[in-house]
Amino acid sequence: AQSVTQLDSQVPVFEEAPVELRCNYSSSVSVYLFWYVQYPNQGLQLLLKYLSGSTLVESINGFEAEFNKSQTSFHLRKPSVHISDTAEYFCAVIPRGAQKLVFGQGTRLTINP
Amino acid sequence: DTAVSQTPKYLVTQMGNDKSIKCEQNLGHDTMYWYKQDSKKFLKIMFSYNNKELIINETVPNRFSPKSPDKAHLNLHINSLELGDSAVYFCASSQVQTYEQYFGPGTRLTVT
Repeated sequence: AQSVTQLDSQVPVFEEAPVELRCNYSSSVSVYLFWYVQYPNQGLQLLLKYLSGSTLVESINGFEAEFNKSQTSFHLRKPSVHISDTAEYFCAVIPRGAQKLVFGQGTRLTINP
Repeated sequence: DTAVSQTPKYLVTQMGNDKSIKCEQNLGHDTMYWYKQDSKKFLKIMFSYNNKELIINETVPNRFSPKSPDKAHLNLHINSLELGDSAVYFCASSQVQTYEQYFGPGTRLTVT
C-alpha cells in the first residue's frame, strides 16, 4: 500500500518570500509523483509531475519540485510567492502499474501582503 | 471549452433521498474516476472506469453505484443518502499510461 504525508497542514508566508511545501511518501513499489493545486472553490489542477528522467521538475508559474528517492520525498518550492499562489496544495502518487492517485492531506498556503 | 464537466455544482438534499451526479469529459480519454473530498479536504478515490469497465472499486458503501454509459460519461448514483455523505465529489479523466488526471470543478453535496 502507498501513503503520502504532507508535513505541514498550513504554511503562511509573506509575499515575495520563498516557500517550501514538504511531501514524503511510502510505497513498496516505484511510484509516479505529482503536485496538484486547488484554488478556492475550484477543482484540482496539475501543477507538476515526475515520471522519469531529471529529478528536478518545473511548472510554468515558477514552482519546482525535486524527487529524492533515498529520502522518498518530493518537496515543492518557489523562490518568490505571489498573492495569487494562495491555494491548497496536494502531493500525490500513482503506483507503477496502477492508475489511482493516492493523495496527501494537503497544505494550505496563505500569502500575506 | 470545458474539459471535464460535472452537474450539478451544488446539491442539497435530505437524508434518505436518492441523487445522481453527472460527469462528462471531451478530452477523448479512456479512463474516468470519482474522488471524494471530505470536510478536512482529504481526497480519496472511489471508483475508476476504463472503456466503460469498472477497474477500481475502493471500500465504498454499495449505496454508491457508478454508471458509465460510454467512454465520455461517468455518473454517480447515491441511494439512501446519509449525513456522512456530505462532501465534494470530483470527477476526473485520463488516458491510460499517461498518468495525468484532469479534474472537474466538483459537486458539493450537502445532506441535511
